[in-house]
Amino acid sequence: AQSVTQLDSQVPVFEEAPVELRCNYSSSVSVYLFWYVQYPNQGLQLLLKYLSGSTLVKGINGFEAEFNKSQTSFHLRKPSVHISDTAEYFCAVRVIKAAGNKLTFGGGTRVLVKP
Amino acid sequence: NAGVTQTPKFQVLKTGQSMTLQCAQDMNHNSMYWYRQDPGMGLRLIYYSASEGTTDKGEVPNGYNVSRLNKREFSLRLESAAPSQTSVYFCASRALAGGPDTGELFFGEGSRLTVL
Repeated sequence: AQSVTQLDSQVPVFEEAPVELRCNYSSSVSVYLFWYVQYPNQGLQLLLKYLSGSTLVKGINGFEAEFNKSQTSFHLRKPSVHISDTAEYFCAVRVIKAAGNKLTFGGGTRVLVKP
Repeated sequence: NAGVTQTPKFQVLKTGQSMTLQCAQDMNHNSMYWYRQDPGMGLRLIYYSASEGTTDKGEVPNGYNVSRLNKREFSLRLESAAPSQTSVYFCASRALAGGPDTGELFFGEGSRLTVL
């Protein structure tokens, strides 16, 4: 079975500073990878996804992530954060060709952007 | 567009009471899911319905039942609520792949349940 580990539960960062959120996964088969964002009191929305091809994936709101197969990682980065980036971020994996499209989520990383 | 709509948004129950969380999507999606979100544990799949007329257990199904009423609606029922079921519940849906299967899920805004 696959699992997802988000190495930081909370990341405080100053406005306009860069941020990196770390995600490692374990799976014996090929996976698709996702990052979702949850703003306060809202549902989750997709930030970006890796399916195949280029290992550097760009998403919405200036975020990008890099897939590293040898390290089984999918870290999320943004070069300059805004106050509005304060949210919780979830990494998720899905086993390719598995029935039911079951996503397995990490525990989440809460980002607090300070002025 | 409404997307995925969940009701109620908030509910307080006493131990042993029952209730149903309702979910409806207007995107003509085939697959629907119920997740629960607990601090530090991310989202865990309770039940899912790959298509109308089918349901399957996820990671944490005990204490829950589901009904896929039609293509639009997927409800989650707690027959005898327990304090361990205090959580935020999310419904999600996904289109059946017509091309590359992106696997993207569309989420509702959540239902916050407290069991006393």
